[in-house]
Amino acid sequence: EAQVTQNPRYLITVTGKKLTVTCSQNMNHEYMSWYRQDPGLGLRQIYYSMNVEVTDKGDVPEGYKVSRKEKRNFPLILESPSPNQTSLYFCASAGWPNYNEQFFGPGTRLTVL
Amino acid sequence: TQLLEQSPQFLSIQEGENLTVYCNSSSVFSSLQWYRQEPGEGPVLLVTVVTGGEVKKLKRLTFQFGDARKDSSLHITAAQPGDTGLYLCAGEKDSSYKLIFGSGTRLLVRP
Repeated sequence: EAQVTQNPRYLITVTGKKLTVTCSQNMNHEYMSWYRQDPGLGLRQIYYSMNVEVTDKGDVPEGYKVSRKEKRNFPLILESPSPNQTSLYFCASAGWPNYNEQFFGPGTRLTVL
Repeated sequence: TQLLEQSPQFLSIQEGENLTVYCNSSSVFSSLQWYRQEPGEGPVLLVTVVTGGEVKKLKRLTFQFGDARKDSSLHITAAQPGDTGLYLCAGEKDSSYKLIFGSGTRLLVRP
């Protein structure tokens, strides 16, 4: 089954404790992206990647890091989480030529205390 | 800056009624997508419209892209409880593959 998977689905942590949210897709997609969803603000892009070893900032990259060492994986790293990063996070992927038609993972709900 | 405004934000209707959701912007988009999101899940793509004035139908759902490619609408005929969810529009600027999302319309269809 074609899918985007994220882990963990739920995470409660404390300020300053480094964490990683994993994202994996099995569709051989070149394009992958991370979004955060907050009430009233819709989905905002954090980082995206057009291919292995190619990453770029989205609209709200501050406080986040990503890496793309393999085509299928695109982890999101929070080196020092803060309460304003409490949010619902989605990973998405898309394949050429329809990079605008994105497949989303099930989401990771993160709470930073 | 919110480039895409969706209206209404919330809509509660009775099964069988018709409804229209709007997605408006002052910016031109090279394509526009509509997604539906259910609780606990990620958004799922419903349709992509590309050409100004384009109309696409998906069973009881009709999507229209404005002539100037700045706005779009989603019309649902004879809504059913299974249509309940958060509807999101997303515009792609300058064929950049970068999507700008609206804040969504939360639809509740009561049996």
